[in-house]
Amino acid sequence: AQSVTQLDSQVPVFEEAPVELRCNYSSSVSVYLFWYVQYPNQGLQLLLKYLSGSTLVESINGFEAEFNKSQTSFHLRKPSVHISDTAEYFCAVSFSGGYNKLIFGAGTRLAVHP
Amino acid sequence: GAVVSQHPSWVICKSGTSVKIECRSLDFQATTMFWYRQFPKQSLMLMATSNEGSKATYEQGVEKDKFLINHASLTLSTLTVTSAHPEDSSFYICSAPRGGTGSYEQYFGPGTRLTVT
Repeated sequence: AQSVTQLDSQVPVFEEAPVELRCNYSSSVSVYLFWYVQYPNQGLQLLLKYLSGSTLVESINGFEAEFNKSQTSFHLRKPSVHISDTAEYFCAVSFSGGYNKLIFGAGTRLAVHP
Repeated sequence: GAVVSQHPSWVICKSGTSVKIECRSLDFQATTMFWYRQFPKQSLMLMATSNEGSKATYEQGVEKDKFLINHASLTLSTLTVTSAHPEDSSFYICSAPRGGTGSYEQYFGPGTRLTVT
């Protein structure tokens, strides 16, 4: 069975500091990986995705994630965070033959402090 | 970009009544849509897969007679919470893949907050 683990439920960080949100997955088949961001009382927004090709993917607002097949990880990083990055971040996986079903991790609350 | 809408954005209903939530894909057709529920400060849990023209597929533990799903057209899926109780209070979110079953990217609606009193 497929599963997603986000190791940190909360990550506090100061503004302009680097951050890494960890995500590991378990699957016996090919996977497609996503990071979504959710601001308070809002729906999910796609931050970035890995479907194929380059294992390093980037978003337009400075986040990046690297697919590491050997370590079954898809950690999210940003070299310098802003107050506006404060939100809930969800790692999700869809898998080959899964008919688009998304399995979500528990989420990581990123709190950026001034 | 693709847009998925939900209506209503929030609803309060009395215990024992039913409430319907709509999910629409505004600029693309979706033969499949998904329904999730999210409890406060928790992750999204997939409830069911809505299939246009056929019965919905429910995840284990989800009561199909309580959460009725109808995929009426290629742009509309509805979730009806029947005989709602306070424990059904939650944030309900729908999503749809653009590009059919071969597309692994999903677009999410803004969510519907249901409060049952």
